[in-house]
Amino acid sequence: GQNIDQPTEMTATEGAIVQINCTYQTSGFNGLFWYQQHAGEAPTFLSYNVLDGLEEKGRFSSFLSRSKGYSYLLLKELQMKDSASYLCAVGSNSGYALNFGKGTSLLVTP
Amino acid sequence: DVKVTQSSRYLVKRTGEKVFLECVQDMDHENMFWYRQDPGLGLRLIYFSYDVKMKEKGDIPEGYSVSREKKERFSLILESASTNQTSMYLCASNAGTGVNYGYTFGSGTRLTVV
Repeated sequence: GQNIDQPTEMTATEGAIVQINCTYQTSGFNGLFWYQQHAGEAPTFLSYNVLDGLEEKGRFSSFLSRSKGYSYLLLKELQMKDSASYLCAVGSNSGYALNFGKGTSLLVTP
Repeated sequence: DVKVTQSSRYLVKRTGEKVFLECVQDMDHENMFWYRQDPGLGLRLIYFSYDVKMKEKGDIPEGYSVSREKKERFSLILESASTNQTSMYLCASNAGTGVNYGYTFGSGTRLTVV
């Protein structure tokens, strides 16, 4: 099985940088995803890591350490529209489905 | 623009009713999934399908069944709706491995059972 942990809530200020951590324990590993979900909407894809290291995409970056079972999502130059829930999801090499953490609700304040 | 379409955004049903939630994707994806999302519990996998007429139980299949008669359509069935099935239901699909392993989600169906 898989156990995926991420903080429940975070608050940050507009223009700042925030890091959302995700730790996982899995019997197999086939990639880690980050999704963004605004209230009342479907999750949308942000990033994918399958090898160790940092993947950068504009204001968002995602890091993976497979040996530590650890990932983080880094959001720079925060904007009010970044207020959302951020979901960490892990794929295993034994199945088709992703397993999701419970999500981190990020509130960006002026 | 590729899409996963869920037929209803909001549904209200009575306890004991048989409920059908429909999901259609236009991306020719092999795999389709049904999740429910509840506050404090996150997304939990109900059922998934990796091919037409094939289905696999997820983590919480009790009280649900599914049907996949055509590649593009995956239906979730609540045989006898109960109040504890009030939830947001999300359908998703994907093509396979690598970055394509990531899901495309439908917009969700918020089901209330009264």
